[in-house]
Amino acid sequence: DQQVKQNSPSLSVQEGRISILNCDYTNSMFDYFLWYKKYPAEGPTFLISISSIKDKNEDGRFTVFLNKSAKHLSLHIVPSQPGDSAVYFCAAAGTYKYIFGTGTRLKVLA
Amino acid sequence: DADVTQTPRNRITKTGKRIMLECSQTKGHDRMYWYRQDPGLGLQLIYYSFDVKDINKGEISDGYSVSRQAQAKFSLSLESAIPNQTALYFCATSDAKPGTGSTGELFFGEGSRLTVL
Repeated sequence: DQQVKQNSPSLSVQEGRISILNCDYTNSMFDYFLWYKKYPAEGPTFLISISSIKDKNEDGRFTVFLNKSAKHLSLHIVPSQPGDSAVYFCAAAGTYKYIFGTGTRLKVLA
Repeated sequence: DADVTQTPRNRITKTGKRIMLECSQTKGHDRMYWYRQDPGLGLQLIYYSFDVKDINKGEISDGYSVSRQAQAKFSLSLESAIPNQTALYFCATSDAKPGTGSTGELFFGEGSRLTVL
């Protein structure tokens, strides 16, 4: 059973517009949630995280929203830039383990 | 120098061969992880270790073994490689501790691409 799901394998957005990446999870016991960005031939790099006791965390152009009742989180990137083109993974952490979604490939069009 | 270093970065081998992927870290973290990435499947946890004496199986440990030689070193072995173990392998570290307000960030190496023919 996939505990963390990213149902959109890909997303294309025009430069300057908002990118919204979504993630759903099934286990209410996760302590925090993270977003990672991955370029080809590189390891994933940490982008932003949110504790399960919060519903929003913002860092520059990146904002993560957590809706615990819906078991849903989303990453907003505003404004989107061509350099944001990458694969984005959401991850849920609990009991010291990290469960990753399958990733969403974001393409920002110039 | 990278904080989490994986060797080799690329390896091609034949079915039945023994392969070891090595990971070393300079972050001083206790927790280390091995993940594999397959297209469409995201990152799947193979093994994880919370300290030198603590090794745990992840979601897909069959066909793999690990060794935590020191706090800084965590190796992944394929005793008899098979083609469906062809994947991109990532080592990661973390110092996340519950109740400390840590972001729980995982720090990844650059990956080891393994091809089993």
